Amino acid sequence: AQSVAQPEDQVNVAEGNPLTVKCTYSVSGNPYLFWYVQYPNRGLQFLLKYITGDNLVKGSYGFEAEFNKSQTSFHLKKPSALVSDSALYFCAVRESGAGSYQLTFGKGTKLSVIP
Amino acid sequence: NAGVTQTPKFRVLKTGQSMTLLCAQDMNHEYMYWYRQDPGMGLRLIHYSVGEGTTAKGEVPDGYNVSRLKKQNFLLGLESAAPSQTSVYFCATFAGGEQYFGPGTRLTVT
Repeated sequence: AQSVAQPEDQVNVAEGNPLTVKCTYSVSGNPYLFWYVQYPNRGLQFLLKYITGDNLVKGSYGFEAEFNKSQTSFHLKKPSALVSDSALYFCAVRESGAGSYQLTFGKGTKLSVIP
Repeated sequence: NAGVTQTPKFRVLKTGQSMTLLCAQDMNHEYMYWYRQDPGMGLRLIHYSVGEGTTAKGEVPDGYNVSRLKKQNFLLGLESAAPSQTSVYFCATFAGGEQYFGPGTRLTVT
């Protein structure tokens, strides 16, 4: 079985400061990892994914995430937060080779960037 | 391209009523999914389909049925709505390693 944990329900950060949104995962085999963002009253938008290769993955809107196999983590980061980054962020995982491509999502972390 | 669209956007039902949510995609994707989103619960998979004419149960399938008669459409049905089914429902497709989400349907069951 696969699972995702986002240990923080909410993260507050001042505009211009670096931000980190944490994610840890559990899968039986090799993981494929994803970050999605949801703005109010909208669907989820894809930010970035880790499939294989470099542990540091760069995505949309200046976000990046670092895959750490030993710590089973995939934390989302941005060097300088913008007020417009305020949204709900979801980490997701699926096991490589899973034929149905089902994703398991974390419960989400609300990011608030304070002007 | 419209991508993934969902109909309706909002709906209020009374307990025991039935309804069908429609998901349509114009990207020719094989895989389609229905999720529900509840506060503090993230997204949970209800049913999914790996191609036209196929459906399978996800994590929380009870109280829901689905059909995929055409590749571009994935229907989610509630035969007898219950207040516990009050939620926001998202449809998604899969291709190229990522899922593409519709805008959601907000359903309230009173």
